[in-house]
Amino acid sequence: AQSVTQLGSHVSVSEGALVLLRCNYSSSVPPYLFWYVQYPNQGLQLLLKYTSAATLVKGINGFEAEFKKSETSFHLTKPSAHMSDAAEYFCAVMGTSGTYKYIFGTGTRLKVLA
Amino acid sequence: GAGVSQSPRYKVAKRGQDVALRCDPISGHVSLFWYQQALGQGPEFLTYFQNEAQLDKSGLPSDRFFAERPEGSVSTLKIQRTQQEDSAVYLCASSLERSGRVAGELFFGEGSRLTVL
Repeated sequence: AQSVTQLGSHVSVSEGALVLLRCNYSSSVPPYLFWYVQYPNQGLQLLLKYTSAATLVKGINGFEAEFKKSETSFHLTKPSAHMSDAAEYFCAVMGTSGTYKYIFGTGTRLKVLA
Repeated sequence: GAGVSQSPRYKVAKRGQDVALRCDPISGHVSLFWYQQALGQGPEFLTYFQNEAQLDKSGLPSDRFFAERPEGSVSTLKIQRTQQEDSAVYLCASSLERSGRVAGELFFGEGSRLTVL
């Protein structure tokens, strides 16, 4: 069964600093991986997804993530944090063996300090 | 609007009452998911529809939970005899693709926040 683990339920960074949100996955088959962002009182929206093409995936708002099979990781990064990046971020996995479920992590709340 | 619409946004129910939560997916989207998000947690899968067919209901926590999508568009999640542990945000998401074959983007609604007193 597929699963994801997000290390750190809360992360604080200064404005302009590097953002690094960690996600490790567990899957017996090559997975599809996603990062979603949730702003207060809004639905989740897709930041980026990995579907076995390029291992470095670029998303919206300057975010990117790198799929590392050897480390079973899919960490989310952004070179320079903006105040508007403050939100909750969820990593998700979907198996590629016919399962229909998108399995989400517990989320990381990002706080950006002025 | 063009997005996924959920209603009601907020629902307060007394323990034992039945509730119905509605989801209007994006027109033409084949896949529809229901998720439950408890406070401070990630979304937990409840059920999946491909058009009108409910292909996976393994996440429904008990037989008090029932979901339908009779015409392959609007979906309703019904919770009978609500309990306090049912308090959560219920998220609906839709996708253009058939899940499992293509990693389609999920488009989420804003959720229905259920509070059971």
